[in-house]
Amino acid sequence: GENVEQHPSTLSVQEGDSAVIKCTYSDSASNYFPWYKQELGKRPQLIIDIRSNVGEKKDQRIAVTLNKTAKHFSLHITETQPEDSAVYFCAARARGFLSSGSARQLTFGSGTQLTVLP
Amino acid sequence: DGGITQSPKYLFRKEGQNVTLSCEQNLNHDAMYWYRQDPGQGLRLIYYSQIVNDFQKGDIAEGYSVSREKKESFPLTVTSAQKNPTAFYLCASSPGTGSQISGNTIYFGEGSWLTVV
Repeated sequence: GENVEQHPSTLSVQEGDSAVIKCTYSDSASNYFPWYKQELGKRPQLIIDIRSNVGEKKDQRIAVTLNKTAKHFSLHITETQPEDSAVYFCAARARGFLSSGSARQLTFGSGTQLTVLP
Repeated sequence: DGGITQSPKYLFRKEGQNVTLSCEQNLNHDAMYWYRQDPGQGLRLIYYSQIVNDFQKGDIAEGYSVSREKKESFPLTVTSAQKNPTAFYLCASSPGTGSQISGNTIYFGEGSWLTVV
């Protein structure tokens, strides 16, 4: 099955600096890569996603890049602010079915605790 | 994602007791999911349902059971067979099965904290 590794597990940056979180995946059939932000005690919320037919996607201060050859994708946050402090999760999913007939499901990384220091 | 309601928010379970966590969605989504989150860890899939009256085991289904009698409801029962149930439980839903449309976005509920006492 799919295996998603996420690094680093913790990241501290000064306010205004950039933050980069990296994920690698194992299943070359994976074609959907979302990123979720989870504040303490709250639900994860989708912040950006990318599909395998594009290499980069931006939304204001957030961008995601995808390298299908190397099987890794990254989240980039520029001009970080204290409210960016949270746990960020990457995930990957392949199209298609398992041998059981079930659709493939998202596999999540272990998360990165981002702290933006004022 | 405001259309997914989980209850209760906090639940305490005695050892040997079964408890049920409720999840209701009004988004008309076909697929629903249950994830478990342990402190400092990622999300692990317990069960999922792609359509009413059908559900599949996820990666950590042992000690849990579900039902999907209605499209909008997907309750999770944590049975006494689950030896370490203390965790944060997240219900989620998505519009399709993923097999039909690549990359269906998953939306999460607010979560339920379960503690064994």
